Amino acid sequence: DAGITQSPRHKVTETGTPVTLRCHQTENHRYMYWYRQDPGHGLRLIHYSYGVKDTDKGEVSDGYSVSRSKTEDFLLTLESATSSQTSVYFCAGSGGLGTEAFFGQGTRLTVV
Amino acid sequence: DAKTTQPPSMDCAEGRAANLPCNHSTISGNEYVYWYRQIHSQGPQYIIHGLKNNETNEMASLIITEDRKSSTLILPHATLRDTAVYYCIVPNTDKLIFGTGTRLQVFP
Repeated sequence: DAGITQSPRHKVTETGTPVTLRCHQTENHRYMYWYRQDPGHGLRLIHYSYGVKDTDKGEVSDGYSVSRSKTEDFLLTLESATSSQTSVYFCAGSGGLGTEAFFGQGTRLTVV
Repeated sequence: DAKTTQPPSMDCAEGRAANLPCNHSTISGNEYVYWYRQIHSQGPQYIIHGLKNNETNEMASLIITEDRKSSTLILPHATLRDTAVYYCIVPNTDKLIFGTGTRLQVFP
C-alpha cells in the first residue's frame, strides 16, 4: 500500500447518519484521491486534493465532501448517508503527473 | 484525459505471454500512458508507465506505437496470480480517471 492507510476498513451505518472515512499517508504525496467502486462501474473518482486545503470535484461528487487540513490526512464525509452510497471506497496518493499512484486497501461501507 | 479503449476481457494460458492492448488515439504529445491492475477486491496496483519509448520493469513491458495512439502491456510469463482487471489510463490533468479496464483470466 506504500504508506496509504484507510480507516475504518469496514463500516455499517444507518441511512441519514453522517459518516467520515479517513485516508492517512506517510509518503508526503501532494495529490490524494477518493474513489468508489461498485459492481459494473469500475473505479469512479469522487474528489481529489492537490494540496493542503486544495480540493476539487471528481466524476461522482454529489453527496460527498472532503477536507485536507494537513498533508497526511484526506477525509471523505457523507453528510447524510444513503443506501446508494453503499460501496467500496479507495483512497490513493501520488506526486502528480508523471508519477505513480499508490492505493489503500479500501473501506467497505454498507448503508442500511 | 485522453479517452482509452480496452477490450473488456481476455484469456491467457499460464506460462504464456499476455498481451493487453489499449487504444488512446487522442493522446497528446506530453501525456503519459499508465497501467494499473486490480486483483480481486484489493486496491489497484501500479504496473508501469511510459511516454514515448518502450519500458520494461520487473512486472511487465510496455510497448507504445510510434504514433503513440496505442500501446500494449506485456506480461511475459503469465501466472494464475496475474488474473486481475488491468487499467490503461492517460491522464492529462491532476485528475486520475479510470475506465472499466480489461479483465484478464489466466487459466492453467
